[in-house]
Amino acid sequence: EAGVVQSPRYKIIEKKQPVAFWCNPISGHNTLYWYLQNLGQGPELLIRYENEEAVDDSQLPKDRFSAERLKGVDSTLKIQPAELGDSAVYLCASSSPGLTPANTGELFFGEGSRLTVL
Amino acid sequence: AQSVTQLGSHVSVSEGALVLLRCNYSSSVPPYLFWYVQYPNQGLQLLLKYTSAATLVKGINGFEAEFKKSETSFHLTKPSAHMSDAAEYFCAVSADFGNEKLTFGTGTRLTIIP
Repeated sequence: EAGVVQSPRYKIIEKKQPVAFWCNPISGHNTLYWYLQNLGQGPELLIRYENEEAVDDSQLPKDRFSAERLKGVDSTLKIQPAELGDSAVYLCASSSPGLTPANTGELFFGEGSRLTVL
Repeated sequence: AQSVTQLGSHVSVSEGALVLLRCNYSSSVPPYLFWYVQYPNQGLQLLLKYTSAATLVKGINGFEAEFKKSETSFHLTKPSAHMSDAAEYFCAVSADFGNEKLTFGTGTRLTIIP
């Protein structure tokens, strides 16, 4: 079974430029997450999707960040314009449907997209 | 709101020695608790979880953790460290079953000394 796939793995841009990250979750996983991981910190949730619907986007800075999950499968996270403070790793994760105590909290993470803003 | 505190951002142990990584939680309701591991340049992987069943939980790679309500702790242990255990370890909490919003700690980087 293929894992969560993210691209690009690394991206270097100048400030004020736009950037986009793509995520393909595990097949059949209805729930998709975007997490932000700053250096030396734990992941922080940006947005959570149930199928096409963003059910929790309270931590997404909506002035410059946007996300979409068309057709409830792949997802794209965009930053426009990027700022120096956006340098971080952007993690995508997915989890399986049919939530039970046996699988609760089991998120499957991709390798992340490391963004450097100069 | 739920939160976790990981004591010690860096821990070094000798190969073959006991590994102990500390995590304390704060939760207004009985929590679900997790340990995730992140190897260099890889995504996070679930090690083990506590979901109100047995208080001593066994995970992958010989790791285990004990839920202690009286101490609000969920420390991760392994009797004998291997070089391959070198990684970053994150403790996480969620409010209850069905709430998939995990709150992660700041992580502990484990170094194994040959």
